[in-house]
Amino acid sequence: DAGVTQSPTHLIKTRGQQVTLRCSPKSGHDTVSWYQQALGQGPQFIFQYYEEEERQRGNFPDRFSGHQFPNYSSELNVNALLLGDSALYLCASSLVGRFGGPYNEQFFGPGTRLTVL
Amino acid sequence: DAKTTQPTSMDCAEGRAANLPCNHSTISGNEYVYWYRQIHSQGPQYIIHGLKNNETNEMASLIITEDRKSSTLILPHATLRDTAVYYCIVSYSGGGADGLTFGKGTHLIIQP
Repeated sequence: DAGVTQSPTHLIKTRGQQVTLRCSPKSGHDTVSWYQQALGQGPQFIFQYYEEEERQRGNFPDRFSGHQFPNYSSELNVNALLLGDSALYLCASSLVGRFGGPYNEQFFGPGTRLTVL
Repeated sequence: DAKTTQPTSMDCAEGRAANLPCNHSTISGNEYVYWYRQIHSQGPQYIIHGLKNNETNEMASLIITEDRKSSTLILPHATLRDTAVYYCIVSYSGGGADGLTFGKGTHLIIQP
């Protein structure tokens, strides 16, 4: 089992550009969550996808959008990049099902390091 | 989700037990305590979670006070590979169905 994989590993963009980050969940998982981690800070929750729909969202502007595909993989899109968007972007997958529950932990990928110049 | 308070950093000698405290005085009755850790340059890794009773797994033990306002994560025989940032998180369903609210965590340094 490859676990959670993310691509690309590193990315450099300039202000105003758009970026797409990709995540493949752990085999058997149905839910994908995205987090942003600035240097020296803990990860901040962006949003979560289940059954191809956004189920929950953190305090992020709508420049941040996402998508989940039928095979449960997911994309994070960020438009109109700002310098402050430079961060490590983490994807986490879990097996939740329709009604959720506290018993299944989130498995994190290694992240994508985004640098905005 | 309830807020948690952790020390910024801690040291522990290799081979000794590492005890990491966490205060969560505003925890509600249906909220769980979760612990994750993040080794440098990697994504966070789940360690353990609990509701009321103490819990133990192959990685660690979790001790929750009777009033549930604080907890302690215990790494029984710390190794150099346990050097990481440890996050204490309180959530109703943060195991998988909710976004996790991370603080700044405790930077645990295991000394040789």
